[in-house]
Amino acid sequence: DAKTTQPTSMDCAEGRAANLPCNHSTISGNEYVYWYRQIHSQGPQYIIHGLKNNETNEMASLIITEDRKSSTLILPHATLRDTAVYYCIVRVRGQAGTALIFGKGTTLSVSS
Amino acid sequence: DTEVTQTPKHLVMGMTNKKSLKCEQHMGHRAMYWYKQKAKKPPELMFVYSYEKLSINESVPSRFSPECPNSSLLNLHLHALQPEDSALYLCASSIHGTSGAYEQYFGPGTRLTVT
Repeated sequence: DAKTTQPTSMDCAEGRAANLPCNHSTISGNEYVYWYRQIHSQGPQYIIHGLKNNETNEMASLIITEDRKSSTLILPHATLRDTAVYYCIVRVRGQAGTALIFGKGTTLSVSS
Repeated sequence: DTEVTQTPKHLVMGMTNKKSLKCEQHMGHRAMYWYKQKAKKPPELMFVYSYEKLSINESVPSRFSPECPNSSLLNLHLHALQPEDSALYLCASSIHGTSGAYEQYFGPGTRLTVT
């Protein structure tokens, strides 16, 4: 799986958009970008994933650059409950029986 | 039902004890995982089961013994652990297949303390 690079920490004001960047310059054509988050002392939670196109669901939007070497997770209206560690992971399509390789992630702190 | 349950939530055990962690899911997932997470570190893979067979063992010491008795259950048997094995143990499950990208669903974890 390709390696990812994320900022160690970010701050965001409640109600504002949180934009979390991720670099994955060695990503292969068959690798998806996944985002998970982990709220303190809980299990990781799946947020969103994408291959080439931008994706949106009820939790977030994922913007992938045209060359696929980087992506941005957008939480459109951050709340205090979005304070968590956010992990960007790239993973080969269809490898259901293989592990997620977690990097260090970005600690997002949302404040009022 | 998109829930993975883990019991117990907390476990304190001595180095000579034998204990087991339990994980259960009823989503029909045929891939199940054990991860270990030390404080302030990301989760690290321990084991992967595919269709109830062990498919990946990430060089985990034999004092950790996984078991998948059926498609809904995953156990982790613990024996003669060391204090450095104290961690959050996470279970996850996912659909098994090669035709798409599959997210993993995680349980809340078992917080293990070895004294």
